[in-house]
Amino acid sequence: DIQMTQSPASLSASLEEIVTITCQASQDIGNWLAWYQQKPGKSPQLLIYGATSLADGVPSRFSGSRSGTQYSLKISRLQVEDPGIYYCLQGYSAPYTFGAGTKLELK
Amino acid sequence: QVQLQQSGAELAKPGSSVKISCKASGYTFTSYYISWIKQTTGQGLEYIGYINTGSGGTNYNEKFKGKATLTVDKSSSTAFMQLSSLTPDDSAVYYCAIKGWFAYWGQGTLVTVSS
Repeated sequence: DIQMTQSPASLSASLEEIVTITCQASQDIGNWLAWYQQKPGKSPQLLIYGATSLADGVPSRFSGSRSGTQYSLKISRLQVEDPGIYYCLQGYSAPYTFGAGTKLELK
Repeated sequence: QVQLQQSGAELAKPGSSVKISCKASGYTFTSYYISWIKQTTGQGLEYIGYINTGSGGTNYNEKFKGKATLTVDKSSSTAFMQLSSLTPDDSAVYYCAIKGWFAYWGQGTLVTVSS
């Protein structure tokens, strides 16, 4: 199975700060990567797909990028509604695998 | 609008089975495969597999073969997942999800396995 190593496990940031979360794939997955946000008691919500494409209705402060087998989710200006747990998902080969998650809190 | 409505929480005894449902609305049921995902505090999110809602064909994560069985009832636009031979490790929230990169999710079904 493809392993997705996500970091950091947690972070605390201030409003308007830039936040970056990364996922390292254990092998080449091309652009077959998505990012999700999950809030307490809710289902995950798709933010980014195809490594860099913004999902419908997602604010433009969220962006995704790729460098080789490392993928990043950037929040350009952290807002009060952004805390939650963020996950990456590789959809390159079955079984699809998720990163372990990054818990984002407001400082 | 697209909705996936899952059945309610289940409390089951070790060794028993449960069958949870995911009722789809707001789109043509056979347009999208339905996938199932397990979430636990310890293991995070795990992909279980998917079912082709048109043909009923299935694809499972090897880890869940023999544990999960996916079916559909096209007449009611509902997908089902049966979990068998339950152990405490099967205690989790289970989600159904559809459309490409899982653009739509059900609200989740909590399964608790306890004697």
